[in-house]
Amino acid sequence: DGGITQSPKYLFRKEGQNVTLSCEQNLNHDAMYWYRQDPGQGLRLIYYSQIVNDFQKGDIAEGYSVSREKKESFPLTVTSAQKNPTAFYLCASSMKTNEQFFGPGTRLTVL
Amino acid sequence: KQEVTQIPAALSVPEGENLVLNCSFTDSAIYNLQWFRQDPGKGLTSLLLIQSSQREQTSGRLNASLDKSSGRSTLYIAASQPGDSATYLCAVNSNYGQNFVFGPGTRLSVLP
Repeated sequence: DGGITQSPKYLFRKEGQNVTLSCEQNLNHDAMYWYRQDPGQGLRLIYYSQIVNDFQKGDIAEGYSVSREKKESFPLTVTSAQKNPTAFYLCASSMKTNEQFFGPGTRLTVL
Repeated sequence: KQEVTQIPAALSVPEGENLVLNCSFTDSAIYNLQWFRQDPGKGLTSLLLIQSSQREQTSGRLNASLDKSSGRSTLYIAASQPGDSATYLCAVNSNYGQNFVFGPGTRLSVLP
């Protein structure tokens, strides 16, 4: 069953703590993306990766980090430097200019 | 910088009505435009993808059109059903896959 999986579905972070969100795809897509969604706003791009071992900052990369060691995986770390991390995080993948497919999302809450 | 807007922000219609959702973008140099549906607390589901060389795409009761010169796309939903209630987002790809810019969405409620 092809698709994109994200885990966990819900995540709680204490002040000063780093947390990592998982994103895996078995669609054989080259490109992967991380977005942040806040209530009443559109999606904002955090990081994207076109190929393995390469990634670029999006519009709101400060306080986040990523890695792309495997084609199937694109984990996102929310660091303590991100001052307002509470949001819904969405991972997507695509073949260059083709259709984007999204995972189910991870809701992160700061305690 | 590409900016995408969607009008209206919210729409409520009775079941069975045909309706149109609007998406506008500021830079007409795009590669494609994609329409999505998002249910509360869920990820995005792709509805239609229109390449820059196309004028429209159809899938079932959905029809999306693209007018690059005027920076507009519309999503037409025929014979709306309560199950169509969701937020609809459009996204524009204007940098060869490096950056999809999203609109804020239109929240649709179809009343039974």
